Amino acid sequence: QSALTQPPSASGSPGQSVTISCTGTSSDVGAYNYVSWYQQHPGKAPKLLIYDVSQRPSGVPDRFSGSKSGNTASLIISGLQAEDEAHYYCSSHAGSNYCLFGGGTKLTVL
Amino acid sequence: QVQLQQSGPGLVKASQTLSLTCAISGDSVSIQRGGWNWIRQSPSRGLEWLGRTYYNSKWYSDYAVSVKSRMTINTDTSKNQFSLQLDSLTPEDTAVYYCARGWLRGYFDLWGRGTLVTVSS
Repeated sequence: QSALTQPPSASGSPGQSVTISCTGTSSDVGAYNYVSWYQQHPGKAPKLLIYDVSQRPSGVPDRFSGSKSGNTASLIISGLQAEDEAHYYCSSHAGSNYCLFGGGTKLTVL
Repeated sequence: QVQLQQSGPGLVKASQTLSLTCAISGDSVSIQRGGWNWIRQSPSRGLEWLGRTYYNSKWYSDYAVSVKSRMTINTDTSKNQFSLQLDSLTPEDTAVYYCARGWLRGYFDLWGRGTLVTVSS
């Protein structure tokens, strides 16, 4: 199975909203409501932001939200802040292959 | 506070075997959940789930198709840790290797700090 498809880059100004897409297939994103999103700063391990499409772990600001339609999931970051500049990765449960990741999106805060 | 502490070499030679260990504190390797996982990250392959081990009346292991023939995950309940063994290394296995706590629905809420492994030819 191929990795999930994300745009390589995204950008926004402080205070704005930005949406990052994640496109899979009917075998992964479209088949399960088990999409997750991770934030990764340089030199750090990924941090879980969203699980089960739209659930936030304790401690994650409500500026981060998630949604899904068909084979495409989205991460929405509202009220963009400087510290949101990072790489963002989506992931989906993929049946017997358990888990697929997206290629990552580098978010730049202008 | 749950933590994962990784250990293992940062440089290995091609054709040899990589061994990494992940020690768990604040949780138990034997608790049924989504399992204890190994994930790697490289510029060429991005994030790649490699495999997991989990206990459900007995021990199970799942592996990604890409490494299934040469990867083994073991657990040591006495030390509360799990380990990765990856055989027949090539330079393409050069990556940062992470251990992570997983859940049944395919997400990972706790990650180790990562180990940069370089495979030299």
